[in-house]
Amino acid sequence: DVKVTQSSRYLVKRTGEKVFLECVQDMDHENMFWYRQDPGLGLRLIYFSYDVKMKEKGDIPEGYSVSREKKERFSLILESASTNQTSMYLCASSFPDAASSYEQYFGPGTRLTVT
Amino acid sequence: AQRVTQPEKLLSVFKGAPVELKCNYSYSGSPELFWYVQYSRQRLQLLLRHISRESIKGFTADLNKGETSFHLKKPFAQEEDSAMYYCALRPFGGNTPLVFGKGTRLSVIA
Repeated sequence: DVKVTQSSRYLVKRTGEKVFLECVQDMDHENMFWYRQDPGLGLRLIYFSYDVKMKEKGDIPEGYSVSREKKERFSLILESASTNQTSMYLCASSFPDAASSYEQYFGPGTRLTVT
Repeated sequence: AQRVTQPEKLLSVFKGAPVELKCNYSYSGSPELFWYVQYSRQRLQLLLRHISRESIKGFTADLNKGETSFHLKKPFAQEEDSAMYYCALRPFGGNTPLVFGKGTRLSVIA
């Protein structure tokens, strides 16, 4: 079974704090993704990575950065947390192009509250 | 640009009634379409992909290129089908992230 794990299920931080969200996958996937999930807005892509030390901006990268030093780990960083970053954060991973069997595997999510 | 539209935020049906969750997409090339589901307190997971032409948990979805739609259907809803459903798209054969719709919450009433 593919396992995507996220470091915390719930996190409460103060405005202005630097926040690290960690994601680890154990299937040797090249691709990793960070989404935020908000009611009525669905899943919005923040950043993704096709390989170690590579990153690409998604649809809403402002206020976030990422780090991928090892293939299995993809970190999302909130440089200075703000209340509008209160959300559920989902990490996902996949092989690059599995043709008929492509699938993104998701972690359980981290619910971040910024006060 | 790729876009996925799910026009209903919430869909309520009675147990045993047919279900249709709508999904329309906008993409000029050849797309791959997917349905993902998130049950209460569980992670988001793949339900089905159009290219496999499979039926999972009684759900089916047919890609209609003329209407640019990929509606999810089930003839008889069950209470355990209550969940959040997301339609997603990516260009066929391309290594790009999935683009998701905003989701539809299905509530099956006993």
